[in-house]
Amino acid sequence: GAGVSQTPSNKVTEKGKYVELRCDPISGHTALYWYRQSLGQGPEFLIYFQGTGAADDSGLPNDRFFAVRPEGSVSTLKIQRTERGDSAVYLCASSSALNTGELFFGEGSRLTVL
Amino acid sequence: AQKVTQAQTEISVVEKEDVTLDCVYETRDTTYYLFWYKQPPSGELVFLIRRNSFDEQNEISGRYSWNFQKSTSSFNFTITASQVVDSAVYFCALYFGNEKLTFGTGTRLTIIP
Repeated sequence: GAGVSQTPSNKVTEKGKYVELRCDPISGHTALYWYRQSLGQGPEFLIYFQGTGAADDSGLPNDRFFAVRPEGSVSTLKIQRTERGDSAVYLCASSSALNTGELFFGEGSRLTVL
Repeated sequence: AQKVTQAQTEISVVEKEDVTLDCVYETRDTTYYLFWYKQPPSGELVFLIRRNSFDEQNEISGRYSWNFQKSTSSFNFTITASQVVDSAVYFCALYFGNEKLTFGTGTRLTIIP
Protein backbone atom coordinates (compact mmCIF):
# COMPACT_ATOMS: atom_id res chain seq x y z
CA GLY A 1 0.00 0.00 0.00
CA ALA A 2 0.93 3.64 -0.17
CA GLY A 3 1.31 4.14 3.55
CA VAL A 4 1.85 2.25 6.78
CA SER A 5 -1.17 0.10 7.52
CA GLN A 6 -2.16 -1.01 11.03
CA THR A 7 -4.84 -3.46 12.06
CA PRO A 8 -7.07 -3.50 13.93
CA SER A 9 -7.76 0.20 14.23
CA ASN A 10 -9.59 -0.45 17.48
CA LYS A 11 -9.37 -3.35 19.87
CA VAL A 12 -11.33 -3.78 23.08
CA THR A 13 -10.33 -6.66 25.29
CA GLU A 14 -10.67 -7.85 28.84
CA LYS A 15 -7.97 -7.82 31.44
CA GLY A 16 -5.83 -10.92 31.23
CA LYS A 17 -6.44 -11.61 27.54
CA TYR A 18 -3.85 -11.93 24.77
CA VAL A 19 -3.71 -9.32 21.98
CA GLU A 20 -1.93 -9.08 18.65
CA LEU A 21 -1.51 -5.84 16.72
CA ARG A 22 -0.34 -5.92 13.13
CA CYS A 23 1.72 -3.45 11.12
CA ASP A 24 2.29 -3.49 7.36
CA PRO A 25 5.06 -0.99 6.54
CA ILE A 26 5.65 0.93 3.36
CA SER A 27 6.97 -1.44 0.72
CA GLY A 28 10.75 -1.48 0.64
CA HIS A 29 11.22 0.13 4.05
CA THR A 30 13.73 -1.93 5.99
CA ALA A 31 13.38 -0.20 9.35
CA LEU A 32 10.18 -0.65 11.38
CA TYR A 33 9.31 0.94 14.73
CA TRP A 34 6.66 0.55 17.40
CA TYR A 35 5.67 3.43 19.66
CA ARG A 36 2.99 3.69 22.33
CA GLN A 37 0.96 6.84 22.89
CA SER A 38 -1.07 7.24 26.05
CA LEU A 39 -3.83 9.83 26.29
CA GLY A 40 -2.45 13.36 26.37
CA GLN A 41 1.13 12.20 25.94
CA GLY A 42 3.65 12.03 23.17
CA PRO A 43 4.58 8.71 21.59
CA GLU A 44 7.10 6.59 23.51
CA PHE A 45 9.55 4.27 21.83
CA LEU A 46 9.02 0.53 22.29
CA ILE A 47 11.14 -1.37 19.76
CA TYR A 48 12.67 -1.13 16.33
CA PHE A 49 13.60 -3.68 13.68
CA GLN A 50 16.20 -3.56 11.00
CA GLY A 51 15.16 -6.30 8.63
CA THR A 52 13.98 -9.34 10.58
CA GLY A 53 15.87 -8.70 13.78
CA ALA A 54 14.91 -6.54 16.72
CA ALA A 55 17.81 -4.10 16.85
CA ASP A 56 16.65 -2.36 20.02
CA ASP A 57 13.82 -3.52 22.28
CA SER A 58 14.78 -1.40 25.27
CA GLY A 59 11.45 0.42 25.28
CA LEU A 60 9.29 -2.65 25.85
CA PRO A 61 7.84 -2.12 29.34
CA ASN A 62 8.04 -5.74 30.53
CA ASP A 63 8.15 -9.33 29.34
CA ARG A 64 4.43 -9.38 28.56
CA PHE A 65 5.27 -7.40 25.43
CA PHE A 66 6.91 -9.03 22.44
CA ALA A 67 7.22 -8.17 18.76
CA VAL A 68 8.24 -10.12 15.68
CA ARG A 69 8.99 -9.41 12.05
CA PRO A 70 9.71 -12.86 10.62
CA GLU A 71 10.07 -11.97 6.95
CA GLY A 72 11.37 -8.44 7.27
CA SER A 73 8.11 -6.81 6.27
CA VAL A 74 4.93 -7.19 8.36
CA SER A 75 5.39 -6.95 12.12
CA THR A 76 3.18 -8.12 14.96
CA LEU A 77 3.20 -6.65 18.45
CA LYS A 78 2.02 -9.21 20.98
CA ILE A 79 0.79 -8.42 24.46
CA GLN A 80 0.14 -11.21 26.94
CA ARG A 81 -2.04 -11.05 30.06
CA THR A 82 -3.19 -7.54 29.23
CA GLU A 83 -3.64 -5.02 32.02
CA ARG A 84 -5.75 -1.86 32.14
CA GLY A 85 -2.54 0.18 32.05
CA ASP A 86 -1.78 -1.21 28.60
CA SER A 87 -4.64 0.86 27.16
CA ALA A 88 -3.13 3.25 24.64
CA VAL A 89 -2.69 3.87 20.94
CA TYR A 90 0.05 1.69 19.49
CA LEU A 91 1.75 3.39 16.57
CA CYS A 92 3.85 1.70 13.94
CA ALA A 93 6.28 3.55 11.70
CA SER A 94 8.70 2.63 8.97
CA SER A 95 11.68 4.24 7.31
CA SER A 96 13.74 3.61 4.22
CA ALA A 97 16.99 4.41 5.99
CA LEU A 98 18.44 4.39 9.47
CA ASN A 99 19.78 7.36 11.34
CA THR A 100 17.36 9.93 9.98
CA GLY A 101 14.56 10.10 12.54
CA GLU A 102 12.25 10.77 9.61
CA LEU A 103 9.57 8.18 10.10
CA PHE A 104 6.34 7.39 8.28
CA PHE A 105 3.64 6.55 10.79
CA GLY A 106 0.46 4.57 10.53
CA GLU A 107 -2.83 5.70 12.06
CA GLY A 108 -2.35 3.47 15.06
CA SER A 109 -4.22 0.71 16.83
CA ARG A 110 -6.25 1.90 19.79
CA LEU A 111 -6.20 -0.75 22.53
CA THR A 112 -8.69 -0.59 25.37
CA VAL A 113 -8.35 -3.08 28.21
CA LEU A 114 -11.46 -3.31 30.37
CA ALA B 1 18.82 12.98 30.61
CA GLN B 2 17.04 14.01 27.46
CA LYS B 3 13.75 15.82 27.70
CA VAL B 4 11.43 17.83 25.49
CA THR B 5 9.00 20.31 27.02
CA GLN B 6 6.02 21.75 25.23
CA ALA B 7 4.47 23.97 27.86
CA GLN B 8 1.46 24.95 25.77
CA THR B 9 -1.07 22.17 26.11
CA GLU B 10 -3.74 23.79 23.97
CA ILE B 11 -3.87 26.89 21.78
CA SER B 12 -6.84 28.34 19.90
CA VAL B 13 -6.56 31.12 17.38
CA VAL B 14 -8.87 32.62 14.81
CA GLU B 15 -8.17 31.73 11.21
CA LYS B 16 -5.55 33.90 9.49
CA GLU B 17 -3.83 34.77 12.75
CA ASP B 18 -0.19 33.83 13.27
CA VAL B 19 0.62 31.33 16.00
CA THR B 20 3.87 30.14 17.58
CA LEU B 21 4.30 26.75 19.23
CA ASP B 22 7.07 26.57 21.79
CA CYS B 23 9.55 23.74 22.30
CA VAL B 24 12.32 23.61 24.88
CA TYR B 25 14.70 20.68 25.08
CA GLU B 26 17.32 19.36 27.48
CA THR B 27 20.39 17.36 26.54
CA ARG B 28 24.07 17.14 27.40
CA ASP B 29 24.98 15.86 23.96
CA THR B 30 26.51 18.22 21.44
CA THR B 31 25.24 16.32 18.42
CA TYR B 32 21.50 15.90 18.13
CA TYR B 33 18.55 16.56 15.89
CA LEU B 34 15.27 18.32 16.52
CA PHE B 35 12.02 17.50 14.81
CA TRP B 36 8.46 18.69 14.49
CA TYR B 37 5.68 16.24 13.69
CA LYS B 38 1.98 16.99 13.07
CA GLN B 39 -0.75 14.63 14.24
CA PRO B 40 -4.10 15.36 12.57
CA PRO B 41 -7.35 13.82 13.88
CA SER B 42 -6.75 10.71 11.76
CA GLY B 43 -3.90 9.82 14.11
CA GLU B 44 -0.84 9.31 11.96
CA LEU B 45 2.13 11.54 12.71
CA VAL B 46 3.42 13.51 9.75
CA PHE B 47 7.03 14.64 9.57
CA LEU B 48 7.43 18.40 9.13
CA ILE B 49 11.08 19.28 9.68
CA ARG B 50 14.44 18.08 11.01
CA ARG B 51 17.30 20.34 12.15
CA ASN B 52 20.73 19.27 13.35
CA SER B 53 22.41 20.84 16.35
CA PHE B 54 25.09 22.51 14.26
CA ASP B 55 22.72 24.39 12.03
CA GLU B 56 20.98 27.28 13.77
CA GLN B 57 19.82 28.89 10.58
CA ASN B 58 16.12 29.55 10.69
CA GLU B 59 14.01 27.87 8.07
CA ILE B 60 10.88 28.89 6.21
CA SER B 61 8.63 26.60 4.21
CA GLY B 62 5.56 28.31 2.89
CA ARG B 63 3.49 29.42 5.87
CA TYR B 64 5.68 27.47 8.28
CA SER B 65 8.87 28.75 9.88
CA TRP B 66 11.16 27.42 12.58
CA ASN B 67 13.41 29.32 14.98
CA PHE B 68 16.26 27.27 16.50
CA GLN B 69 18.24 28.90 19.31
CA LYS B 70 20.85 26.79 21.09
CA SER B 71 21.46 29.53 23.64
CA THR B 72 17.96 29.01 25.02
CA SER B 73 17.60 25.34 23.97
CA SER B 74 14.49 26.20 22.01
CA PHE B 75 13.10 25.15 18.66
CA ASN B 76 9.91 27.10 18.11
CA PHE B 77 7.46 26.66 15.25
CA THR B 78 5.41 29.49 13.74
CA ILE B 79 2.45 29.17 11.43
CA THR B 80 1.67 32.35 9.53
CA ALA B 81 -1.87 33.13 8.34
CA SER B 82 -3.26 30.00 9.99
CA GLN B 83 -5.89 27.88 8.27
CA VAL B 84 -8.48 25.44 9.59
CA VAL B 85 -6.46 22.57 8.08
CA ASP B 86 -3.64 23.44 10.47
CA SER B 87 -5.76 22.17 13.37
CA ALA B 88 -3.88 19.21 14.84
CA VAL B 89 -1.62 18.16 17.69
CA TYR B 90 1.98 19.19 17.08
CA PHE B 91 4.90 17.34 18.62
CA CYS B 92 8.47 18.46 19.02
CA ALA B 93 11.02 15.65 19.29
CA LEU B 94 14.71 15.10 20.06
CA TYR B 95 16.92 12.52 18.34
CA PHE B 96 20.50 11.28 18.74
CA GLY B 97 20.85 8.92 15.83
CA ASN B 98 19.99 5.92 17.97
CA GLU B 99 16.70 5.29 16.21
CA LYS B 100 14.66 6.57 19.17
CA LEU B 101 12.71 9.80 18.98
CA THR B 102 11.98 11.48 22.33
CA PHE B 103 8.72 13.36 21.95
CA GLY B 104 7.26 16.18 23.97
CA THR B 105 3.69 15.98 25.24
CA GLY B 106 2.35 17.92 22.28
CA THR B 107 0.38 21.11 21.71
CA ARG B 108 -3.18 20.86 20.49
CA LEU B 109 -3.79 23.68 18.01
CA THR B 110 -7.33 24.65 17.08
CA ILE B 111 -7.94 27.13 14.30
CA ILE B 112 -11.34 28.76 14.62
CA PRO B 113 -12.97 29.64 11.30
